[in-house]
Amino acid sequence: KNEVEQSPQNLTAQEGEFITINCSYSVGISALHWLQQHPGGGIVSLFMLSSGKKKHGRLIATINIQEKHSSLHITASHPRDSAVYICAASGATNKLIFGTGTLLAVQP
Amino acid sequence: EAEVAQSPRYKITEKSQAVAFWCDPISGHATLYWYRQILGQGPELLVQFQDESVVDDSQLPKDRFSAERLKGVDSTLKIQPAELGDSAMYLCASSWGTSRFQETQYFGPGTRLLVL
Repeated sequence: KNEVEQSPQNLTAQEGEFITINCSYSVGISALHWLQQHPGGGIVSLFMLSSGKKKHGRLIATINIQEKHSSLHITASHPRDSAVYICAASGATNKLIFGTGTLLAVQP
Repeated sequence: EAEVAQSPRYKITEKSQAVAFWCDPISGHATLYWYRQILGQGPELLVQFQDESVVDDSQLPKDRFSAERLKGVDSTLKIQPAELGDSAMYLCASSWGTSRFQETQYFGPGTRLLVL
């Protein structure tokens, strides 16, 4: 069993839909990260959170420490949101333990 | 905006050959990370430096992989000899402070390695 698991693995949505990607972790963490990876490999950090909720534009990330669960929400999805979304847990040394990612395709 | 630089972007080599990847972190960043990402999987940490010192190399296959960050700035990751299973994306990342703090990591574009 992976220490960080995501669901779903693949997600197809229509433009404008509300999207949720889930992440569960089994390790003790100092922070939970959400990252975006576009075709070609580049990874961009979206959020780092250790409690509560963060919002940036149409993206919202939440975490429930007791349940060891985090969600990434995208409101009013757009084709340019199509990418792989990865959650990762970090511990005492800031080393990231990654999930396997969720491949999101938003169709116009 | 400052970025993490990596070169080469793509590398094709034959098994048993030596390959080297270079990473230049964002200026002033103390911590540098090398990750390996096999197709369809999430990245896995190979080695983490704080300045010129290794913080974590527990997943680095030391019989064939080596990494250095001699002056605490740029870094080189070497594989010798390369094996077919080394085909992957090699990602470099950096963060501002020491490894004791939770910080955002900034990733380079990666080096895609294909071993034939």
